[in-house]
Amino acid sequence: GESVGLHLPTLSVQEGDNSIINCAYSNSASDYFIWYKQESGKGPQFIIDIRSNMDKRQGQRVTVLLNKTVKHLSLQIAATQPGDSAVYFCAENLNTNAGKSTFGDGTTLTVKP
Amino acid sequence: SAVISQKPSRDICQRGTSLTIQCQVDSQVTMMFWYRQQPGQSLTLIATANQGSEATYESGFVIDKFPISRPNLTFSTLTVSNMSPEDSSIYLCSVDLGKSYNEQFFGPGTRLTVL
Repeated sequence: GESVGLHLPTLSVQEGDNSIINCAYSNSASDYFIWYKQESGKGPQFIIDIRSNMDKRQGQRVTVLLNKTVKHLSLQIAATQPGDSAVYFCAENLNTNAGKSTFGDGTTLTVKP
Repeated sequence: SAVISQKPSRDICQRGTSLTIQCQVDSQVTMMFWYRQQPGQSLTLIATANQGSEATYESGFVIDKFPISRPNLTFSTLTVSNMSPEDSSIYLCSVDLGKSYNEQFFGPGTRLTVL
């Protein structure tokens, strides 16, 4: 079936630096994308989303970029903090499959003090 | 947002037995979902739990192995039947509140170990 994958399984950054987590998706029909953060022992937590009619969306310290031409998604975290250490998943949705997400493999972000 | 609880939070079971996992939401929701997350891996959708009708299963998952109940709009159960060590995973329920386009909220998960 269709899959969503991540380029890098792990990412280590220094506290205060910016982090960029990448994701490649394969289903060109996907029209909604979500980034989730999963801390140890917890379920995934919604961070930010973007629809396919947009190429950029900003939240608090986070920005998601969508490049539909190459089917690429990225999550940028500004001024990374130790509390940002977690596994980050991108997920895609089809308009007809409300609530059903296809998740990527996940990137483990480690923030060094 | 939604507050979602799951019971049990973790369990260790013997092969061949079954375990029923409960998911409770603090508000009425139309759509509830069950996911599996195998150790160190991503989430895979098992099924959509439909209130008042049978669950809709994804490819690779069958009702005999993962029977689901959805008696009302705030509660669902997932049973892992005739367990084997390969069923060791985290099982998560999620809900779609329908207020934000396809945003899902997840429960804390049930960590299952099958010996």
